[in-house]
Amino acid sequence: KAGVTQTPRYLIKTRGQQVTLSCSPISGHRSVSWYQQTPGQGLQFLFEYFSETQRNKGNFPGRFSGRQFSNSRSEMNVSTLELGDSALYLCASSIQAGTGELFFGEGSRLTVL
Amino acid sequence: LAKTTQPISMDSYEGQEVNITCSHNNIATNDYITWYQQFPSQGPRFIIQGYKTKVTNEVASLFIPADRKSSTLSLPRVSLSDTAVYYCLVGPGSGNTGKLIFGQGTTLQVKP
Repeated sequence: KAGVTQTPRYLIKTRGQQVTLSCSPISGHRSVSWYQQTPGQGLQFLFEYFSETQRNKGNFPGRFSGRQFSNSRSEMNVSTLELGDSALYLCASSIQAGTGELFFGEGSRLTVL
Repeated sequence: LAKTTQPISMDSYEGQEVNITCSHNNIATNDYITWYQQFPSQGPRFIIQGYKTKVTNEVASLFIPADRKSSTLSLPRVSLSDTAVYYCLVGPGSGNTGKLIFGQGTTLQVKP
């Protein structure tokens, strides 16, 4: 069974640009959640989607957005990038929403110059 | 909103038992406690989950006191390959909705 796939794995952007990251969950998983990981802040919850609906959102500005498609694949978008957005962005999938066993991808490492 | 606190780092030696505690004073009634392990350049990996008392699986035990304001992950007889960052996660159980709050992570260094 294929794991969670995140693309791209690495990307470099400049301030002011926008970026879209993609996450393909494990087949049969309907919930996808996103996290930002930085050395100083650890793993911070961005949002959670279940059956194409955003179920929860963390404390991030409106520049961070996401969506989930009917096949459970998810994208997150960050607009007007800032230097502080440089981080590893992880997505996780699970069968249900909430904290059942989360299966994480390897992440997308974003560098903002 | 539950806030979790873990020690930043811990050292141990091969063969010892390691206990990592997570404090979560504001845990909600429907919140579960889950622990994850993360190696460099990889996403976190599920270790164990519990709601109260004690849970044990083939790799770890999780102890949760009656007030549920803290939890302790116990790793028996650690090896060098257990060197990793360990995160506790507090959030609603499977099928429920709510924010998923990770602790800052505990870096465990196992020495030979």
